[in-house]
Amino acid sequence: GQQVMQIPQYQHVQEGEDFTTYCNSSTTLSNIQWYKQRPGGHPVFLIQLVKSGEVKKQKRLTFQFGEAKKNSSLHITATQTTDVGTYFCAAIIQGAQKLVFGQGTRLTINP
Amino acid sequence: DAGVTQSPTHLIKTRGQQVTLRCSPKSGHDTVSWYQQALGQGPQFIFQYYEEEERQRGNFPDRFSGHQFPNYSSELNVNALWLGDSALYLCASSLSGRHIQYFGAGTRLSVL
Repeated sequence: GQQVMQIPQYQHVQEGEDFTTYCNSSTTLSNIQWYKQRPGGHPVFLIQLVKSGEVKKQKRLTFQFGEAKKNSSLHITATQTTDVGTYFCAAIIQGAQKLVFGQGTRLTINP
Repeated sequence: DAGVTQSPTHLIKTRGQQVTLRCSPKSGHDTVSWYQQALGQGPQFIFQYYEEEERQRGNFPDRFSGHQFPNYSSELNVNALWLGDSALYLCASSLSGRHIQYFGAGTRLSVL
């Protein structure tokens, strides 16, 4: 079954509004990665988090890894039309070596 | 420096047929993973190849098989195609021991 749950499935915002997507697992994660897939494109790596409680920023994007290493979030401040796409979390479950992707959050933006 | 390349870009097959998809990894990468992405879903891990051997496998039947060549390129073979095999097939390369995936543009497979 699905080991990495991602919510929401869809999010529509006005340009300039903030956006957050969440990733949750019932099992401890070795690390978590975030990817962005533009419409018609392929997933592109954004960032990897490894440490408990880790927070990383990339310009308007803020990524967090939970203290228990079971959840993560991606927050975009003041969205722009270039942020349109589907954001996926992907995790290595502790004890396994394969990458498990969440279902993704599709972000659409009204300019 | 070429990224990950996949061929063909699109493919149409009928039920029961067999298909072979190809992937060349990013320069310097030695590990190739294959994923199936159904419409509106996240990529599902099929298997991973390293040193010409299958190192990890996801929950896919034996109809899905693969190969890695000495130059690190890889093939994905699917036998006895089902309608449900219609999807985007993504190849990703990485360095052994590193989990960051560099994806190719994918092969869109349609099974009629």
